[in-house]
Amino acid sequence: LAKTTQPISMDSYEGQEVNITCSHNNIATNDYITWYQQFPSQGPRFIIQGYKTKVKNEVASLFIPADRKSSTLSLPRVSLSDTAVYYCLVALNRDDKIIFGKGTRLHILP
Amino acid sequence: GAVVSQHPSWVICKSGTSVKIECRSLDFQATTMFWYRQFPKQSLMLMATSNEGSKATYEQGVEKDKFLINHASLTLSTLTVTSAHPEDSSFYICSAGGGNNQPQHFGDGTRLSIL
Repeated sequence: LAKTTQPISMDSYEGQEVNITCSHNNIATNDYITWYQQFPSQGPRFIIQGYKTKVKNEVASLFIPADRKSSTLSLPRVSLSDTAVYYCLVALNRDDKIIFGKGTRLHILP
Repeated sequence: GAVVSQHPSWVICKSGTSVKIECRSLDFQATTMFWYRQFPKQSLMLMATSNEGSKATYEQGVEKDKFLINHASLTLSTLTVTSAHPEDSSFYICSAGGGNNQPQHFGDGTRLSIL
C-alpha cells in the first residue's frame, strides 16, 4: 500500500486559491489518486480522483506530474465552509483497503 | 451518485452492552465494505474488511471477538461491538466501493458513547 505524506495543517483566507500537495513516492502503476474532505462528526466525502495529468470538476482541480510521485489538490476561491480535513489516498480500485494518512487540516480565515 | 448509509448516527449505552451498527449501500452492490474507527483529532484507522459471504479480515491489533462483523448480503454489513466499555467510545465509519475504477464512498459515521 502506497504511503502518503501531506502537510499537517494550512491556513488561508476567504477568496484565495488553496493548493495542498501530497507525496506518494511508492505509488504503483495501476494506483489512482483520490482526495477526500472530512468535516467534524461526518464521514469523508469524495472530492476528486485522477490517474495522471490534470483533472477538474466543479469543486476542485487535481494536478499530477508525469512521475505521479505527488499530486496537488487545488481549491479555487475558498470560503469559510471549506475549513475541514483533506485526505490524499492512493488505491488500486474500489475493493482495495485504504490506509489513511494524517490528512491536512485546512483552516479558512475571514 | 453512490450512497452509503449508516445507522444509527449516534448511540449512548451502558458499559457491558452490545451495540450493532449497520452499513448499507443504497444504490449499488458491495462485495467488500470497510470499517474504520476515528478518535478525536485523529485520522481514520482501518479496523477490518468485511467480505460478503465470508469471514471478515481484521487489521492487526483489532479483536475479532470484540468487533463482530457480518456481511450477509451485497448491500448490508454490520459491526457489533460486544460488551462495550468506555474505551470503545469512538466514531465508527464504514465505506464501500462504488464501481469499477470508482472511488469508495463513506457513510456519515456512528458516534458511540459508552457510559
